[in-house]
Amino acid sequence: NAGVMQNPRHLVRRRGQEARLRCSPMKGHSHVYWYRQLPEEGLKFMVYLQKENIIDESGMPKERFSAEFPKEGPSILRIQQVVRGDSAAYFCASSPRTGVNEKLFFGSGTQLSVL
Amino acid sequence: GNSVTQMEGPVTLSEEAFLTINCTYTATGYPSLFWYVQYPGEGLQLLLKATKADDKGSNKGFEATYRKETTSFHLEKGSVQVSDSAVYFCALRPHSGYALNFGKGTSLLVTP
Repeated sequence: NAGVMQNPRHLVRRRGQEARLRCSPMKGHSHVYWYRQLPEEGLKFMVYLQKENIIDESGMPKERFSAEFPKEGPSILRIQQVVRGDSAAYFCASSPRTGVNEKLFFGSGTQLSVL
Repeated sequence: GNSVTQMEGPVTLSEEAFLTINCTYTATGYPSLFWYVQYPGEGLQLLLKATKADDKGSNKGFEATYRKETTSFHLEKGSVQVSDSAVYFCALRPHSGYALNFGKGTSLLVTP
């Protein structure tokens, strides 16, 4: 059973370009979470999605950021018109269900570098 | 609000040394507490957890006790190995929530 797969591992973009980060959850998992780790910071919650639904996007910046988790295919975190401050490691996690004691399985992350 | 503070790294130890990584938290109510570990090139993995006061989480020789009176969840291991070299993250999950609040991570390097 493959773990949570994120791609690409490294993504380089110039300011103003779009970044698309993909996350394939573990088989049988329908809950996906995105976290961002800025340099010298801890991981910060961004968004929680279930299939075809955004449950909580309270951690998402109000502009340029969006996320989806379609019925088929991976979850996508999309950043439009990237700026240098978007440079960070973006981690995806999945779980089979929700709950305060539900174990999360993390991917290896995508390192986004904005030039 | 909810937050986690863990000791600054990097921490460098010799093999078989005793390890302590301090973690304190601020939260309302009764959160669940976690330690995650990230080995080089890999994603975060759950190392251990505790869901209520005085619970002790343990795994692979690591232990941490949920201390509500000191709002702490310090990670300990009696004898570290080179293979324990990784980044360790302390985290909490609020009682009524699902989002994890992470500390900044502590890098551990164990030398032979």
